Amino acid sequence: GQNIDQPTEMTATEGAIVQINCTYQTSGFNGLFWYQQHAGEAPTFLSYNVLDGLEEKGRFSSFLSRSKGYSYLLLKELQMKDSASYLCAEMDSNYQLIWGAGTKLIIKP
Amino acid sequence: IAGITQAPTSQILAAGRRMTLRCTQDMRHNAMYWYRQDLGLGLRLIHYSNTAGTTGKGEVPDGYSVSRANTDDFPLTLASAVPSQTSVYFCASSEYDNQPQHFGDGTRLSIL
Repeated sequence: GQNIDQPTEMTATEGAIVQINCTYQTSGFNGLFWYQQHAGEAPTFLSYNVLDGLEEKGRFSSFLSRSKGYSYLLLKELQMKDSASYLCAEMDSNYQLIWGAGTKLIIKP
Repeated sequence: IAGITQAPTSQILAAGRRMTLRCTQDMRHNAMYWYRQDLGLGLRLIHYSNTAGTTGKGEVPDGYSVSRANTDDFPLTLASAVPSQTSVYFCASSEYDNQPQHFGDGTRLSIL
């Protein structure tokens, strides 16, 4: 079956670094996506990994290991505005996204 | 401003009523999607369309129907609303089905 696992909630301090992990199990794989969703708003696209390794985009980076079914989103120099839910989604063999329940990130001053 | 527009923003509906949620995009994207988002669960795909004139069923299609008469519009219809359809509904689009999806602001639907 297909199952996306990510922590329900994480807390971090402003200015620090946080890593949000995501594991997936699927018979087909066409990429791993990360989205940010502020409370009451729509998800917005952050990153996409289809090959192993690290993709860096400003303060945000995303890593993928296809052999381990594992990805993480790394947020550096945390700001209060980074308080949001972070959604991991795997694109399956039919090019449909299978979504995790999201990780609520709480940033404390 | 380019993007995806959903209407209405929110709606309270009596059970048994028919309701159509509207979604329009002006990015000329080929693929469009309808999701529902419930507390504690990931986004779940209801229906999708990879190109105008075609539609497909997602993970939770029962009780919902869609049409894709043209590239821009992808309405979602609840034929006879039930309380379990209370949710936040998001419409999304992507240039092709293997590309990142962009979301509308959502419709909050409450079925009483």
